[in-house]
Amino acid sequence: AQSVTQPDIHITVSEGASLELRCNYSYGATPYLFWYVQSPGQGLQLLLKYFSGDTLVQGIKGFEAEFKRSQSSFNLRKPSVHWSDAAEYFCAVGASGGYNKLIFGAGTRLAVHP
Amino acid sequence: GAGVSQSPSNKVTEKGKDVELRCDPISGHTALYWYRQSLGQGLEFLIYFQGNSAPDKSGLPSDRFSAERTGGSVSTLTIQRTQQEDSAVYLCASSLVSLKSSYNEQFFGPGTRLTVL
Repeated sequence: AQSVTQPDIHITVSEGASLELRCNYSYGATPYLFWYVQSPGQGLQLLLKYFSGDTLVQGIKGFEAEFKRSQSSFNLRKPSVHWSDAAEYFCAVGASGGYNKLIFGAGTRLAVHP
Repeated sequence: GAGVSQSPSNKVTEKGKDVELRCDPISGHTALYWYRQSLGQGLEFLIYFQGNSAPDKSGLPSDRFSAERTGGSVSTLTIQRTQQEDSAVYLCASSLVSLKSSYNEQFFGPGTRLTVL
């Protein structure tokens, strides 16, 4: 069965520090992979997605993620975190073909210290 | 343009009562999804509507949960005889559906926070 694991429930970083949020997936075929961000009181916003091709994908707000098939991972990174990045981050895997039921991880809550 | 809207934003109910949650998708989006976000857990797929096709109800946790979509637009998620474990944030998403595209982005609403006392 498809599943997504985000090992870190909560992460705290200092403003300006680099960030890496981990995501591992289980999926039989080549997955469609996503990272979403959820700010307090807000809906989910798509940060970036991977379908195929270049395994390093760029997203909004300076985020990037790297797909590593050998490790079944799709970790999210940002070189320098801003206080406004404090939010909850969800990794998700989806099926192909127009209809995309998303399977989400449990999320990682990011706190940013000044 | 307007995004996905959901109402109410918060709902507090007593155990055993029925509740209705509403979702207004983005105009023109033919696909509509409901997800549930329980405390400390990720988002759990509940149900999917696409046009006039039969909905995919595979994620509904029990027969107390049902949903309908009228006129291919607004959707209502109904929970009958609510239980405390139904307390969660219920999120709705909509998307276009294009067979020419390998993926159609889902746009999420702000959610309805349901608390069952």
